[in-house]
Amino acid sequence: KAGVTQTPRYLIKTRGQQVTLSCSPISGHRSVSWYQQTPGQGLQFLFEYFSETQRNKGNFPGRFSGRQFSNSRSEMNVSTLELGDSALYLCASSSGQGSMNTEAFFGQGTRLTVV
Amino acid sequence: GENVEQHPSTLSVQEGDSAVIKCTYSDSASNYFPWYKQELGKRPQLIIDIRSNVGEKKDQRIAVTLNKTAKHFSLHITETQPEDSAVYFCAAIVTNAGKSTFGDGTTLTVKP
Repeated sequence: KAGVTQTPRYLIKTRGQQVTLSCSPISGHRSVSWYQQTPGQGLQFLFEYFSETQRNKGNFPGRFSGRQFSNSRSEMNVSTLELGDSALYLCASSSGQGSMNTEAFFGQGTRLTVV
Repeated sequence: GENVEQHPSTLSVQEGDSAVIKCTYSDSASNYFPWYKQELGKRPQLIIDIRSNVGEKKDQRIAVTLNKTAKHFSLHITETQPEDSAVYFCAAIVTNAGKSTFGDGTTLTVKP
């Protein structure tokens, strides 16, 4: 089974630009969660999608948005980039339903650098 | 919202000693508690998890305990080895709401 795939792996953008990151979950998984990881800040929850619906959202400004497609692939978008948005963005997929098969598998992440 | 506090933030032990990391959560709706290990430059990987209807779970040198009343859960690693050195994250998850909150991580260093 292929793992969670995130593209691109590395990205350099300038302040004010916008960026779109992609996450392809494990086949059969319907839940995709996004996290921002910065040194010393752990994993900050951005949002979670299940069957194309956002079920939950973390405490991030509206510049951060996402969506999920019918094939469960997900994208997140950050508009008007700020220097502080530089981070590793991780997505994780899981089956997303019921109390079983709740293990989440992480992708390798996208390293975003804003200059 | 949910808040997960993880302690200690850094932990250094001698090879062969035990290591304990503790997490406290606030949302009583949380029903799934995984622990992830993240080695430098790699993705977080699940090492053990526990559900809210279980008090303890063990897998070889790793064990997790959950106290629902006190809203805290702990990771126990026995007979530590240098390859256990990594950052460990706990998480509290409400599975039917897609809501996950991670602790800030514990950097474990096992000295040979």
